[in-house]
Amino acid sequence: DAGVIQSPRHEVTEMGQEVTLRCKPISGHNSLFWYRQTMMRGLELLIYFNNNVPIDDSGMPEDRFSAKMPNASFSTLKIQPSEPRDSAVYFCASSFRGAGYGYTFGSGTRLTVV
Amino acid sequence: SQQGEEDPQALSIQEGENATMNCSYKTSINNLQWYRQNSGRGLVHLILIRSNEREKHSGRLRVTLDTSKKSSSLLITASRAADTASYFCATETQGGSEKLVFGKGTKLTVNP
Repeated sequence: DAGVIQSPRHEVTEMGQEVTLRCKPISGHNSLFWYRQTMMRGLELLIYFNNNVPIDDSGMPEDRFSAKMPNASFSTLKIQPSEPRDSAVYFCASSFRGAGYGYTFGSGTRLTVV
Repeated sequence: SQQGEEDPQALSIQEGENATMNCSYKTSINNLQWYRQNSGRGLVHLILIRSNEREKHSGRLRVTLDTSKKSSSLLITASRAADTASYFCATETQGGSEKLVFGKGTKLTVNP
């Protein structure tokens, strides 16, 4: 298996633009998590899905953020409109039966909003 | 919100020495996990210890858990330059939630 695949690796966009981050989890994993990492706040859980259903989105900072998981092999995190304070590294992770078995992380998307 | 807090924030040692990192947390947990992150990369799962376990080993890694003190430690023995990375503890709290909450990490530098 190629692991958790995220795209793009880097994204530079102007304030106000829409940004879409993509994630392909490991085949067979039934939980998917989106995290954001910054120097100031560390790793923050934004949202997680179990069997493609959003379970907890309490970490989503604002209505500008939305996430979908239309099927077991694909998820998106969208920011619309983007702001400079959204600049961070966004990680997707997947696991089997949730945290009790450890997560596999993707390489992340480094987002810069100018 | 951070559940785990690692200590120290940064640690610098010589190759061959042992490295010890500590993690404290606030609420009752199902398990505690340690992850490694190399610069510019994603996190890699190292080891998981359940709340009813006190110690676990994996290669050069030794993890202890003291639920009465709500603390854990990660020991890396005979460190190598390749161990240079940030190390994070993460906790799964009791109550059925699947999600992991991460601390801010310890940055370990192993000098050749």
